[in-house]
Amino acid sequence: GGIITQTPKFLIGQEGQKLTLKCQQNFNHDTMYWYRQDSGKGLRLIYYSITENDLQKGDLSEGYDASREKKSSFSLTVTSAQKNEMAVFLCATGTGGYEQYFGPGTRLTVL
Amino acid sequence: AQKVTQTQTSISVMEKTTVTMDCVYETQDSSYFLFWYKQTASGEIVFLIRQDSYKKENATVGHYSLNFQKPKSSIGLIITATQIEDSAVYFCAMREGASSSFSKLVFGQGTSLSVVP
Repeated sequence: GGIITQTPKFLIGQEGQKLTLKCQQNFNHDTMYWYRQDSGKGLRLIYYSITENDLQKGDLSEGYDASREKKSSFSLTVTSAQKNEMAVFLCATGTGGYEQYFGPGTRLTVL
Repeated sequence: AQKVTQTQTSISVMEKTTVTMDCVYETQDSSYFLFWYKQTASGEIVFLIRQDSYKKENATVGHYSLNFQKPKSSIGLIITATQIEDSAVYFCAMREGASSSFSKLVFGQGTSLSVVP
């Protein structure tokens, strides 16, 4: 087993601000993912990383950057926060191409 | 493009009964994997069960089982003897790229299950 930690738990920003979300895992999994979940909807993939220093764009990558400097950590940056934006950002890890394990999420509010 | 659709927005059932949640998918891949996840009220997402497309037997884990109907591109989740703590949102997901060493998932919109006493 393992643990996925996401920081911060709640993030409040201003329009146009650059905001960074962090994810740490001790599963020792190679692949990490960032998803966005809007209220009452499913998850959409923003970025994923197969290994350290690898970055792959998902379906929703516009407006976001990502960084994977270590195997255990994966960061996501909102490059310019949009007013009234509210969503939960979920980090996940996986290995072997099968099920994924999710972190507790970061809830973003943009004023 | 691959797509996963859950048409049931919400379901309410009595405790200790059986419930089935529907999911249909679209894919061009001959081999694929299907998953069900549970999201609790706290937001925690937990993997429940997986079905490999090449397997004819329906997967079963605890009181969760699947009704895999490949000709209909359908993968239903069945929960038997439901408990109050089964109340959650359930997501169906499909993996793209069956030959890949990583798992890029496409999710459905989710079905909210409420189990009442």
